[in-house]
Amino acid sequence: SSELTQDPAVSVALGQTVRITCQGESLRSYYASWYQQKPGQAPILVIYGKNNRPSGIPDRFSGSSSGNTASLTITGAQAEDEADYYCNSRDSSGNHLGVFGGGTKLTVL
Amino acid sequence: EVQLVESGGGLVQPGGSLRVSCAASGFTFSSYEMNWVRQAPGKGLEWVSYISSSGSTIYYADSVKGRFTISRDNAKNSLYLQMNSLRAEDTAVYYCARDLGSTSCYFDYWGQGTLVTVSS
Repeated sequence: SSELTQDPAVSVALGQTVRITCQGESLRSYYASWYQQKPGQAPILVIYGKNNRPSGIPDRFSGSSSGNTASLTITGAQAEDEADYYCNSRDSSGNHLGVFGGGTKLTVL
Repeated sequence: EVQLVESGGGLVQPGGSLRVSCAASGFTFSSYEMNWVRQAPGKGLEWVSYISSSGSTIYYADSVKGRFTISRDNAKNSLYLQMNSLRAEDTAVYYCARDLGSTSCYFDYWGQGTLVTVSS
């Protein structure tokens, strides 16, 4: 079982805004990072830290955090955003171990 | 251009051993922490192991501790994962991932992965 909990599936209408959440006690101490993965491809980092986007990631992707919950928001979702999204952080043991959420399948309608 | 290229995957019997490698290029490998992450077929991502830039600090997931060994050769710009006592549940695509290096996990570049299949 994962120490970070995500909804298994979320859908959004084309052009609308969607928020994908990640819950876990470790998020009270560590920022999350978010990864997009399309079928047959390696994951891509889309958000890290407080709200940082790597070069090349569209500004419709943003991140936020409150208490034990981290969120990835896509403002104006596009068809190409349909993918699996994973959150990631340190675990709550304090032993510097990594942990991923179970992933959220985003469908753009 | 940053590139990470894994190799060494394949079919191995339960109880067997395998070493996968990750060749890095396009950046100063010795300055970056590195990780292995795996993904079983049709499943989510699982963090496996971390190694500091010098190799002096190492961490493992409980699921592989005592069986897997991470290492690196900064002179060869290479990362390794030695996997012993392999089990069917170790079947997965193994990715190496560069770590931005902070108190949290930020993996900014990933390889394309190498498939390890444990089966008789």
